[in-house]
Amino acid sequence: DSGVTQTPKHLITATGQRVTLRCSPRSGDLSVYWYQQSLDQGLQFLIQYYNGEERAKGNILERFSAQQFPDLHSELNLSSLELGDSALYFCASSEFGTDNQPQHFGDGTRLSIL
Amino acid sequence: SQQGEEDPQALSIQEGENATMNCSYKTSINNLQWYRQNSGRGLVHLILIRSNEREKHSGRLRVTLDTSKKSSSLLITASRAADTASYFCGTSYGKLTFGQGTILTVHP
Repeated sequence: DSGVTQTPKHLITATGQRVTLRCSPRSGDLSVYWYQQSLDQGLQFLIQYYNGEERAKGNILERFSAQQFPDLHSELNLSSLELGDSALYFCASSEFGTDNQPQHFGDGTRLSIL
Repeated sequence: SQQGEEDPQALSIQEGENATMNCSYKTSINNLQWYRQNSGRGLVHLILIRSNEREKHSGRLRVTLDTSKKSSSLLITASRAADTASYFCGTSYGKLTFGQGTILTVHP
């Protein structure tokens, strides 16, 4: 058990809709990362937060946004959903958000767009 | 685009054999990390090797790093059926970038 909790585990919705994915980091970790994993694109880094502030941005679409709250949990909002957004979305956390630390991954939210 | 690229894409071996997976990357890195992913689960960190290190061991795992060739290898010795998983290398230079992974199947 990594200590990172993601909800919901599965989400099925339709094109054009908006969803929110939630992540609680491991106790003591200040930094949260979001990744998207799909068969064609592999595992793509989306965005990183550290102690409530955005620290790094990756291949995140403008239709997607995220935030980290004072209690350090994070939410990833996906809007105007398209079929191609179907993927596994992972949250990971690390203590200080530096790249010399391992990241601890949750078990993901599987998003299916119909 | 992916920074690290694993090779082979798939590897099938018998229990007790050694498994070697390779990772190549294109640009400078601060460190390289190997992760394992069981089907339907999140990634699990295995080992981190810094750019100034050449070899690192952890239990049955041995990782090498050759920065001149921009490559790393992960060796799993005396493999077990429970080692069946996908293995990813993540190259780190500010952010972690993963390759497509190697699918390892260990037959009992």
